[in-house]
Parts: sequence; C-alpha cells; structure tokens
Amino acid sequence: AQKVTQAQTEISVVEKEDVTLDCVYETRDTTYYLFWYKQPPSGELVFLIRRNSFDEQNEISGRYSWNFQKSTSSFNFTITASQVVDSAVYFCALSEPYNTDKLIFGTGTRLQVFP
Amino acid sequence: NAGVTQTPKFQVLKTGQSMTLQCAQDMNHEYMSWYRQDPGMGLRLIHYSVGAGITDQGEVPNGYNVSRSTTEDFPLRLLSAAPSQTSVYFCASSYEPNPGTNEKLFFGSGTQLSVL
Repeated sequence: AQKVTQAQTEISVVEKEDVTLDCVYETRDTTYYLFWYKQPPSGELVFLIRRNSFDEQNEISGRYSWNFQKSTSSFNFTITASQVVDSAVYFCALSEPYNTDKLIFGTGTRLQVFP
Repeated sequence: NAGVTQTPKFQVLKTGQSMTLQCAQDMNHEYMSWYRQDPGMGLRLIHYSVGAGITDQGEVPNGYNVSRSTTEDFPLRLLSAAPSQTSVYFCASSYEPNPGTNEKLFFGSGTQLSVL
C-alpha cells in the first residue's frame, strides 16, 4: 500500500535559518510521482513541485530545494534563509499514475518562522 | 481566471441534515476531486472524477455522493450529516491530457463544515 510519512509535526525556526522538511514514502510501483504542496494560513493549497520517480536530480527554485533519494524513499524539502512568509503547513504527496491518479498525502509539517 | 471556486466557505449543520458543497472550475480541467482535511490526518480523498459522467470512490467515500454532469461542476453531497463529517473540505482539479500524467492539482479555498 502507498503511504507518505512526515514525521515532523511542527518545526519552529528564526528568520534566515535553513530548515529541512522530511518526507518518506512507501510504494510498490516503480513509476510514481511525488509532490509538495504549501498551505498558508489562508487555507488554500498551493502546488510547489512535482517529481517523476525516474528523475532523481535535485531541484532548486530560488530559496527552495528538493532532495529526492530513491534508495531511502525520501523526498526532502529545504528552505534556505527562511522568511516569515514561509510559515505554513507543508504537505508531501505520492501518486501512482498507472492506477487512478489519486494523491496520497502525508499528515503535513507546520513550519513557523519567527522574526 | 477564477480557478476552483467552492461554496459555501463555512457551514454548520445539525446531525441528520443533508447539504451539497459546490465546486466549479473554469479551466476546462478533466480531473476533479474532493478531499477532506482533519487534524493529524492530512488530506484524504473522498471521491474523484476523470471526466463528465465518470466518478469513482477515494479513500473515505462513505456518507458522501458525487456526480459530474458537466466538466465544470463537481458537487459533493452529504446525505445525512454526522459529527464525524466535521472537517475542512477541499475541491481540486487538474488538466489531464492523458491518464497517468498526474498534472498538478489546483485547489479551492476550502469549506469548513461543522456538524453538531
């Protein structure tokens, strides 16, 4: 069965600190997609990234970076030089495209960035 | 673009009442879905649709009905509300040119439902 584990329930940092949000997934398929979504205090989920299981290259987008390691079934998300606006709940999600395109979400990590 | 529009934003029901949560998207997306968000549980899929006239169950479908008569609309019906259905409900859509491409989801702003 598919499963996504975000073991960190809540993380608090001070502005300008780097922070890494962990995501560990379980799947029996060789083809799958991994996602990260951000849910700011306004409530709406915002797409951050989608990664195909065949693409293990790390990705950087501004202050955001993602480390995908199939060997450890992890897809960790790092925010460099965090800012107050990064405060949100972050969800990691897994899908298996050859089944039904459903997303399996982790329980989320609440990040609080203090000034 | 309006994107994904959910109504109402807040709703209070009494146990046993029925109601429909509305979801509409104006992006001509084929795929639409409903999730519920509960503390410590993340988001769980209730029902989804890969196109007009096609619906299927997700992880937690009991107590909910859906229909997809048009591409734009995907209402979620609570047949007889129960306190266990107190949650935040999100509608989401994506453009799926081919099954399995898993395009990113666009989410609505959510409906906070309380069942007393």
